[in-house]
Amino acid sequence: VQLVESGGGLVQPGKSLKLSCSASGFTFSSYGMHWIRQAPGKGLDWVAYISSSSGTVYADAVKGRFTISRDNAKNTLYLQLNSLKSEDTAIYYCARGTRDWGQGVMVTVSS
Amino acid sequence: DVVLTQTPSILSATIGQSVSISCRSSQSLLDSDGNTYLYWFLQRPGQSPQRLIYLVSNLGSGVPNRFSGSGSGTDFTLKISGVEAEDLGVYYCMQATHAPYTFGAGTKLELK
Repeated sequence: VQLVESGGGLVQPGKSLKLSCSASGFTFSSYGMHWIRQAPGKGLDWVAYISSSSGTVYADAVKGRFTISRDNAKNTLYLQLNSLKSEDTAIYYCARGTRDWGQGVMVTVSS
Repeated sequence: DVVLTQTPSILSATIGQSVSISCRSSQSLLDSDGNTYLYWFLQRPGQSPQRLIYLVSNLGSGVPNRFSGSGSGTDFTLKISGVEAEDLGVYYCMQATHAPYTFGAGTKLELK
């Protein structure tokens, strides 16, 4: 199993960013997937979940601003981040269920 | 939202010592399907988190059997029977019974 996040970087407040998580080594379409983040020096913060049937759930702090989606043909999970705030600065991890995690991608929101 | 309270926040242990971490939930984590979606993770310094325990008491793949999980309803415990140096890091509980899902604040295990 391999999960590789990409798309992070430095972005100004109010702008947008789209994260990707490329999955391999398992039948991607069969698994629910999470995005979880970790601000510098802080604990884990659950962000969003998408089921194998594409049902979605969001943390209150990101609801209406972030969108989780998946492309089963490309074995890829996405997180669209809109209206970014400084408090969204974090390492963003994708995870297969709770079992397997990627290495994370850094998002920095700053002017 | 469900609040998970982990205690202690810092745990100092010697190699070989047995230790426990508590995770208390603000509401029952027993789901209507009969499962309790409570998990334990370890994050070693500079690494991604690793799942140790799933559904309260099931040992994750490749996880040493010195780790064990127990509990029900709102009270859960992770026990390490004989701490080893590789066990140092921050431990988190997580619940996925009630959306939005939530993590505890973490327990840092350090060497005494």
